[in-house]
Amino acid sequence: EIVLTQSPGTLSLSPGERATLSCRASQSVTGGSLAWYQHKPGQAPRLLIYGASSRATGIPDRFSGSGSGTDFTLTISRLEPEDFAVYYCQQYTYNFGGGTKVEIK
Amino acid sequence: QVQLVQSGAEVKKPGASVKVSCEASGYTFISYDISWVRQATGQGLEWMGWMNSNSGNTGYAQKFQGRVTMTRNTSISTAYMELYSLTSDDTAVYYCARAQKGGYYGMDVWGQGTTVTVSS
Repeated sequence: EIVLTQSPGTLSLSPGERATLSCRASQSVTGGSLAWYQHKPGQAPRLLIYGASSRATGIPDRFSGSGSGTDFTLTISRLEPEDFAVYYCQQYTYNFGGGTKVEIK
Repeated sequence: QVQLVQSGAEVKKPGASVKVSCEASGYTFISYDISWVRQATGQGLEWMGWMNSNSGNTGYAQKFQGRVTMTRNTSISTAYMELYSLTSDDTAVYYCARAQKGGYYGMDVWGQGTTVTVSS
């Protein structure tokens, strides 16, 4: 069973700053099927990135994903106020990582 | 528009079971898997399992095997998740989400969530 570990647990940043979130898998992710989701309180999660690096429909280009094998990264180039949320990585049919909370500094 | 609409909030006693529905519209139901994900208060997202909406084949997270059943009624484009032997630890918001087969494209459409409260 693949276990995904996200770091850091919390990221305190200001609007306009760059956010770099890490997701490490316990074994190689097959087929590149690693996705990133954004989750805000009281809302359903939202798909941001699929296939490790492809943006989902309607996702702004300030969000980008990279990585392969066991190491993956979600980058938000310039944080907007609406980007403060919790971010999760997941390989389909396996559990989510523990999440990274991006909070306003 | 493409959407998943879930059934309303439930309150259950410990030891009972709960069945949550997820009605799909705006797309061909049998062309996508349906997964179920939950979030307990103050906790992260937890993947419970998936179902092939066409064949009915399922795959459950090890944690829930023997305690969850995912089914569907293709005639009304609705998926169901039934969880048995509830405890207070099952108090959570439960989401359904669709994914293309194989999951490469991620879970792109989500239901609004159903709150299940387990309390004596």
